[in-house]
Amino acid sequence: DAGVIQSPRHEVTEMGQEVTLRCKPISGHDYLFWYRQTMMRGLELLIYFNNNVPIDDSGMPEDRFSAKMPNASFSTLKIQPSEPRDSAVYFCASRTGLRNEKLFFGSGTQLSVL
Amino acid sequence: KNQVEQSPQSLIILEGKNCTLQCNYTVSPFSNLRWYKQDTGRGPVSLTIMTFSENTKSNGRYTATLDADTKQSSLHITASQLSDSASYICVVTRAYSGAGSYQLTFGKGTKLSVIP
Repeated sequence: DAGVIQSPRHEVTEMGQEVTLRCKPISGHDYLFWYRQTMMRGLELLIYFNNNVPIDDSGMPEDRFSAKMPNASFSTLKIQPSEPRDSAVYFCASRTGLRNEKLFFGSGTQLSVL
Repeated sequence: KNQVEQSPQSLIILEGKNCTLQCNYTVSPFSNLRWYKQDTGRGPVSLTIMTFSENTKSNGRYTATLDADTKQSSLHITASQLSDSASYICVVTRAYSGAGSYQLTFGKGTKLSVIP
């Protein structure tokens, strides 16, 4: 299994531009999570899906952030318009619904907004 | 408030030496605690899980402990290697409170540097 696949690995954009991050979870995993990691705050949950349905988006910073999961093998996180304070590493993770199951993380997208 | 505090924030040790990382939590009710290892430029990878009934668990040179009474966990690394250089993140799961409920609380991690 290739694991959780994220793209792009690095994204540099200018303030005000739209940014789209992509994630392919592990096949058979019915939970998908988007996290943001910064030095100051560590890993923060933005949103998670169960069976493609958004369950909890209370971590999404503001209306500029949106996430979709159109099918079991693909999810996107979009920032529009982007701001310098959005600069961080964004991780996608997936897991099964079994109790105590661990998260499998992708390699992350390093986002820099200039 | 559910919190996970890790100490130290960073640690530098010589190759071959042992070290212990600490994790204190206030998450309640408790379900389990996981230690993740995050190499630079990579996503976290699970090292071990500790459930309520477990006190000690080993995974190679890594030994995790859990004291559910004092809400403390530790990760002990024996005979450190250069490849142990990474951030170690403690993650506590709150017991399920209903269908669809899912709550993890992450510590900010300990950055370990092993030098020759």
